[in-house]
Amino acid sequence: QVHLVESGGGLVKPGGSLRLSCAASGFTFSDYYMSWIRQAPGKGLEWLSYVSGSGTTTFYADSVKGRFTISRDNAKNSLYLQMSSLGGDDAAVYYCARSGDVFDHWGLGTLVSVSS
Amino acid sequence: DIQMTQSPSSLSASVGDRVTITCQASQVISTYLNWYQQTPGKAPKLLIYDTSILKTGVPSRFSGSGSRTDFTFTISSLQPEDIATYYCQQYDSLPYTFGQGTKLEIK
Repeated sequence: QVHLVESGGGLVKPGGSLRLSCAASGFTFSDYYMSWIRQAPGKGLEWLSYVSGSGTTTFYADSVKGRFTISRDNAKNSLYLQMSSLGGDDAAVYYCARSGDVFDHWGLGTLVSVSS
Repeated sequence: DIQMTQSPSSLSASVGDRVTITCQASQVISTYLNWYQQTPGKAPKLLIYDTSILKTGVPSRFSGSGSRTDFTFTISSLQPEDIATYYCQQYDSLPYTFGQGTKLEIK
């Protein structure tokens, strides 16, 4: 069965950087777009970015464009999100999800906290 | 960006009730609309995609309808395990956007 496991979250200072990972299993990883979606505490869902199966096509929400970079390693069945210039608005649970538009499987999420 | 507006924001209903949530898009999105369920402390789960198609394994008491800008999500007979927050999401245009959520509680 499809399994997605995020890691890499933690406490970071304002202006700092963090790299999130998502390990995928149970499906042919390279066949699928993958996305990152976040949820600030007590708030709704915000789609951030997707990457195509080959890794050649990406798209970002304006809120993270220029600060976050999505990538993937199909040999390792892994998805990444490199985050920089983090601020308080970036504090959230970050989910990876299968697909670029209909998010049919989600990981459990990894928590990113931003504080000095 | 396309704005998705759900109503109501919260809803209290009794077991066995028929529950309806609406989602309005700020522009036409054809039928590119999904519905997700999120129980407290858990990740969202896809229930319905392309407005009305139930994901495999989702109980038939859940349904969706609509087109263009106006969409409806219905639970035909509310069960205790349906207590959750429900989100609509459009995938007509990037960036993909979610509604603000509807929190469903048992009366």
